[in-house]
Amino acid sequence: RKEVEQDPGPFNVPEGATVAFNCTYSNSASQSFFWYRQDCRKEPKLLMSVYSSGNEDGRFTAQLNRASQYISLLIRDSKLSDSATYLCVVNIKAAGNKLTFGGGTRVLVKP
Amino acid sequence: GAVVSQHPSWVICKSGTSVKIECRSLDFQATTMFWYRQFPKQSLMLMATSNEGSKATYEQGVEKDKFLINHASLTLSTLTVTSAHPEDSSFYICSATGQGALTDTQYFGPGTRLTVL
Repeated sequence: RKEVEQDPGPFNVPEGATVAFNCTYSNSASQSFFWYRQDCRKEPKLLMSVYSSGNEDGRFTAQLNRASQYISLLIRDSKLSDSATYLCVVNIKAAGNKLTFGGGTRVLVKP
Repeated sequence: GAVVSQHPSWVICKSGTSVKIECRSLDFQATTMFWYRQFPKQSLMLMATSNEGSKATYEQGVEKDKFLINHASLTLSTLTVTSAHPEDSSFYICSATGQGALTDTQYFGPGTRLTVL
C-alpha cells in the first residue's frame, strides 16, 4: 500500500464549478500536511498547509481528518488557471523532516 | 525570500557520461537539502537527504555510488549522475529547508530535466 494515495483523476470541471478530492495517508505518525500544486514540467509549489481545524485560503479549503487519516481539498468557483496536478504531501518529522508525496490528482477546468 | 535555483534547467547527454546538477539557496542558508526524481506521470520520489558538511542519507533502492551528492556549503548542494544511462532520464528536483522560521517548509528548485541518449 502506498504511504499517500490519491485519485489520479482527471477531474474535468466546468469553469465556475466546485471540485473536491481526497487523499489518504497510512502512517499515523504523520504530523504535517500540505497541498502542493504542480503544473506540467514544473516544480511543485506550495498551495497551502493543512491544519486540524481546517483552513481556507480564498477559493481553496483544506480539511484534515486524523481519525480516518485523510485530507481533502475543495476548490470553489474554479478558474481555468486552476488546471494542474494537486499533490497531497505529508511530513513525518521523526523521520528527518522528509516529505512523502502522493501521486497527484489532475484537475482540468474547462470553459 | 526563500528562493532555490537549479542549474542546468535541462541537459542532454550521451550514455556513459556523468552529469552534475547544482542546487543553490539564493537568499537563505540551507541546512538541509533534498533531492527528488520524478518520472513522467509519476509523483516525486525522494532520493536522498543531505545536511551541510555531512554525508548524504540515501533512500532505499537509490545507489549512492551512482548518484553522488555533495553539500559542501550552506548554499550549495550538487548531484552527480555518474555513468548515466537512458533509464536515468528524469526530472530531478531539489528542495531546501533553512533555519528558524524556514525549518518546516521545503522550498523547491525549478528542476533539471535530464535526457540520456
